Amino acid sequence: GAVVSQHPSRVICKSGTSVKIECRSLDFQATTMFWYRQFPKQSLMLMATSNEGSKATYEQGVEKDKFLINHASLTLSTLTVTSAHPEDSSFYICSAPTGNLDGYTFGSGTRLTVV
Amino acid sequence: KNEVEQSPQNLTAQEGEFITINCSYSVGISALHWLQQHPGGGIVSLFMLSSGKKKHGRLIATINIQEKHSSLHITASHPRDSAVYICALDSNYQLIWGAGTKLIIKP
Repeated sequence: GAVVSQHPSRVICKSGTSVKIECRSLDFQATTMFWYRQFPKQSLMLMATSNEGSKATYEQGVEKDKFLINHASLTLSTLTVTSAHPEDSSFYICSAPTGNLDGYTFGSGTRLTVV
Repeated sequence: KNEVEQSPQNLTAQEGEFITINCSYSVGISALHWLQQHPGGGIVSLFMLSSGKKKHGRLIATINIQEKHSSLHITASHPRDSAVYICALDSNYQLIWGAGTKLIIKP
């Protein structure tokens, strides 16, 4: 089935640095990638939707200059958390529609801790 | 009122019990998804429903479009079924997430 590979699974970074999270579709072309964030004991919240070859669409309240999304190819979408702060510590997960009976496939998630 | 409501929020049961998790919604949808989130955070898509009923192993999902209600059932529950189960509504390729049901199955 359709698989999205997400890396890294865990990252600890210092305040002020940038962190890049990658999501690769392994056996299908992901023209769209959804990026979610989940704080402890809360639902996933959609941050942005990226489409290959065009600018990402950000949800209200999500700073596009802080969360840079690039979707330069049909198999790779990246989220870069710039100038990270401790409040950015969260679980980030990507998802892509597969076009088959499952509907969506999810990356394994990235747990970001900013110290 | 939330667009999607799940119940119960938390459920603890003994191994072998029949489990039911409910999802009610108030908006028009193209499909409804049941997802499983493991303690480590990883999410697995269990079912995508637009009508009727689907079965996969010990998992059964049903949806009633007229009543805007869906249920996820687990038969012969096992401790490895312990996870958060999430109902999500599909609307124009965007998912509206339920709050999730935390299920714990005790041996």
